[in-house]
Amino acid sequence: GDSVTQMEGPVTLSEEAFLTINCTYTATGYPSLFWYVQYPGEGLQLLLKATKADDKGSNKGFEATYRKETTSFHLEKGSVQVSDSAVYFCALSDLTNAGKSTFGDGTTLTVKP
Amino acid sequence: GAVVSQHPSWVICKSGTSVKIECRSLDFQATTMFWYRQFPKQSLMLMATSNEGSKATYEQGVEKDKFLINHASLTLSTLTVTSAHPEDSSFYICSARDIAQGLNTEAFFGQGTRLTVV
Repeated sequence: GDSVTQMEGPVTLSEEAFLTINCTYTATGYPSLFWYVQYPGEGLQLLLKATKADDKGSNKGFEATYRKETTSFHLEKGSVQVSDSAVYFCALSDLTNAGKSTFGDGTTLTVKP
Repeated sequence: GAVVSQHPSWVICKSGTSVKIECRSLDFQATTMFWYRQFPKQSLMLMATSNEGSKATYEQGVEKDKFLINHASLTLSTLTVTSAHPEDSSFYICSARDIAQGLNTEAFFGQGTRLTVV
């Protein structure tokens, strides 16, 4: 079945540091890939997405590239801010799995001033 | 973007009572909605897939008689936790896809419901 493996956390960075959160996946079909962000006590918000190989999703300074050859979708940001502190989930959806979303375990990011 | 509204945001109930959580797609139609449960500091666990006009499909290990799901229209799904117990305390989140955009697009999530059973 489908699965998503995320870099273990928590991750603590200083403001303006470079961020990478690794994500790899396994899927039977051709999934779309997503990064969601969850702030404390809230639901999930879509951060960015990519629907096919070599697509790059980007939003609010975050980027991730759909790499089919390495089955990866790593999240990066060049300069993090305190307000980026949250839990980040990598996810995929696969037409062969009735459109269900499969999530990674989440990575907690804390950015210190 | 599409909006999914979940209500209530939090609820406290006594053991043995039932609690209903609503999930509405406000500006799109969703034939399929998903219900998740999230334990503290953990990922989302899919409980069931809610299909408009038919019975929900439950994931293995989820008690369908305890977690009743009804999807009466293209914009509303409800989750009822029956005879709640303290171990049912959790964060419940729903999501929905805009059927007009296909199955492989992003899911839109409700803001979640924090259930505390005392």
